Amino acid sequence: DIQMTQSPSAVSASVGDRVTITCRATQGINKWLAWYQQKPGKAPKLLIYAASSLQTGVPSRFSGSGSGTDFTLTINSLQPEDFATYFCQQANSFPFTFGPGTKVDI
Amino acid sequence: EVRLLESGGGLVQPGGSLRLSCAASGFTFSSYAMHWVRQAPGKGLEWVSGISASGGSTFYADSVTGRFTISRDNSKNTLYVQMNSLRAEDTAVYYCAKGGFPSEYFFDFWGQGILVTVSS
Repeated sequence: DIQMTQSPSAVSASVGDRVTITCRATQGINKWLAWYQQKPGKAPKLLIYAASSLQTGVPSRFSGSGSGTDFTLTINSLQPEDFATYFCQQANSFPFTFGPGTKVDI
Repeated sequence: EVRLLESGGGLVQPGGSLRLSCAASGFTFSSYAMHWVRQAPGKGLEWVSGISASGGSTFYADSVTGRFTISRDNSKNTLYVQMNSLRAEDTAVYYCAKGGFPSEYFFDFWGQGILVTVSS
C-alpha cells in the first residue's frame, strides 16, 4: 500500500498569513493527489485534485503543486473560515490512502 | 445540486450486521463511481470500498474484505454497503462519496456521514 505522510501535523497561524502544507507518498503517484478540507463535525470538502487543479467553487487563495512523491498545498492570505484540518489523498492505486491530516488553527 | 444522504447507522453488537444506504440526487448517478470512506472518532480518513458506475467492479480495503459488500441500485439512485461480522474497530462515521473527474478516485462530493457504533 502507498503510505501518505503530511507535515506539519499542526500549524498555528493568523488571518492573512500564508500557510504551506506538505504531503509525501512512499512511492510515485504521478499527479494523482487530492487535498480536502474538513471542519469539525462536517464532511470533507474537495479543494484540489490532480495535484494542482482547483475544484469548482474553491477560492483561488488555495493552490496545489507537486508530482511524483512530493506535494504542497498553499493557502495564501488565510481567512477565518480556513481554520480546519487538511488531508491529502492518493488516487493512483488501490487502496486509496489519506494522509494523517494537518490542523490549521489560531 | 449534488446531495448524498446516508442512512442505516446505529449501535450494533460485535459480530453483528448493518446495512448503510446512500440516497443520491442532483447528478446522473449511473454515470459515476461511488465510494464509502470512514472516520473513526478523532482519527483520520480511511477509504473503505468503491464501486464502478455500472456496479460491475467493486473494490475493498483489506480491513473490510470478506466482511463488507458494496452494491448500488442505479434505478433507485442508491448506494449500499452491507457490513457483516462487525468489530469494535469498525466504529466510525461512514461517508458516501461520489467519484470525481478526471479520476473517479477523487471524491468530489460527500454525504454528511452516519455514525456506526460497534459495542456490547
